[in-house]
Amino acid sequence: DTGVSQDPRHKITKRGQNVTFRCDPISEHNRLYWYRQTLGQGPEFLTYFQNEAQLEKSRLLSDRFSAERPKGSFSTLEIQRTEQGDSAMYLCASSGTSGRARSTDTQYFGPGTRLTVL
Amino acid sequence: AQKITQTQPGMFVQEKEAVTLDCTYDTSDQSYGLFWYKQPSSGEMIFLIYQGSYDEQNATEGRYSLNFQKARKSANLVISASQLGDSAMYFCAMRDRGSNYKLTFGKGTLLTVNP
Repeated sequence: DTGVSQDPRHKITKRGQNVTFRCDPISEHNRLYWYRQTLGQGPEFLTYFQNEAQLEKSRLLSDRFSAERPKGSFSTLEIQRTEQGDSAMYLCASSGTSGRARSTDTQYFGPGTRLTVL
Repeated sequence: AQKITQTQPGMFVQEKEAVTLDCTYDTSDQSYGLFWYKQPSSGEMIFLIYQGSYDEQNATEGRYSLNFQKARKSANLVISASQLGDSAMYFCAMRDRGSNYKLTFGKGTLLTVNP
């Protein structure tokens, strides 16, 4: 079983630069989620896709953030003009309607991308 | 309003003993799901156990069990026979109808297992 993968695992960038993260969900999962986790907090929801459609976006997702999921497979999260406040762990999760977790729609998380903005 | 409350920032337990991590939740929905995740220092969130609001029995998964008290709106995680590898952050999370599919997490409890 291949789990959720994320790339890169770590990213250090200077303020004002653009960054892009990639998430590959579990292959049979049709739902994909992005969360952000800052130090000492639980993950906070950013956005959610069902197949290729982006169905919900948090108010945390400012205009500098954009997410895509072309063809309903992998997803990218881009942050433009990064700010120091964007430093966080960005977590991707997927869930689906098949397999063991079908009835619970359990979300399975990737290892995360840790972003540091200098 | 905070939907998930974890009141224990940190907990200590001796190896091989049992430990209970507290979680209370707030929702007006009748249909909801409660989840526990483990986050080691590496950062990955690992799913542990799920309890549905209509489940009549407490969920169990190996050494993990969920003490679900619906009237009190609590969903405490019980880890039996603690192991050194259980040392990690533990998060309680909820999904209800109002949240669509997204999870709302508590602030977590840092569990340290002492040898």
